Amino acid sequence: AQSVTQPDIHITVSEGASLELRCNYSYGATPYLFWYVQSPGQGLQLLLKYFSGDTLVQGIKGFEAEFKRSQSSFNLRKPSVHWSDAAEYFCAVGPSGAGSYQLTFGKGTKLSVIP
Amino acid sequence: EPEVTQTPSHQVTQMGQEVILRCVPISNHLYFYWYRQILGQKVEFLVSFYNNEISEKSEIFDDQFSVERPDGSNFTLKIRSTKLEDSAMYFCASSELAKNIQYFGAGTRLSVL
Repeated sequence: AQSVTQPDIHITVSEGASLELRCNYSYGATPYLFWYVQSPGQGLQLLLKYFSGDTLVQGIKGFEAEFKRSQSSFNLRKPSVHWSDAAEYFCAVGPSGAGSYQLTFGKGTKLSVIP
Repeated sequence: EPEVTQTPSHQVTQMGQEVILRCVPISNHLYFYWYRQILGQKVEFLVSFYNNEISEKSEIFDDQFSVERPDGSNFTLKIRSTKLEDSAMYFCASSELAKNIQYFGAGTRLSVL
């Protein structure tokens, strides 16, 4: 069964500092990988996705993520964090293949930004 | 930009009552999903729906749950007899194809008292 681990429950960074949120997955084949962001009281907004090809993917709001097959990781990065980036970030994997369409989410990492 | 719309944003109900959560997926999408997020926990898959039938469901999606596409635009989740543990945020999502990006609505917060 596929699974996603986000080892950091809560991260606090200063505005302007760089950010890396970790995501590790367990999956039997080449996964589809996603990062979603959830602001307080809001739904899930897609930040970026990896399906195939270039392992460094760019997303919205200045975020990027790198797929590393050897490490089963898909870490999210941003060079300079803005106060508006404070939110919860979810890594997800899926769909797993024929007949299965579900996304499997990690537990999320809550990002706090210090002005 | 097209979006998934969910109503109501907050639903309060008494234990044992039936609730219907409503979703309007993106118009050209063919696959529809429900997920839930219990407070402080991760987002969990409930069910996927394609071509007017359930494609896949999780263990959570027991006989108390049902889904329906009553017309060309709405997609509903019904909980027949709500329990306290059904209190959660319920997200609807849709995708154009099975392996495409799933777009999520803002969610319905269900509070069972």
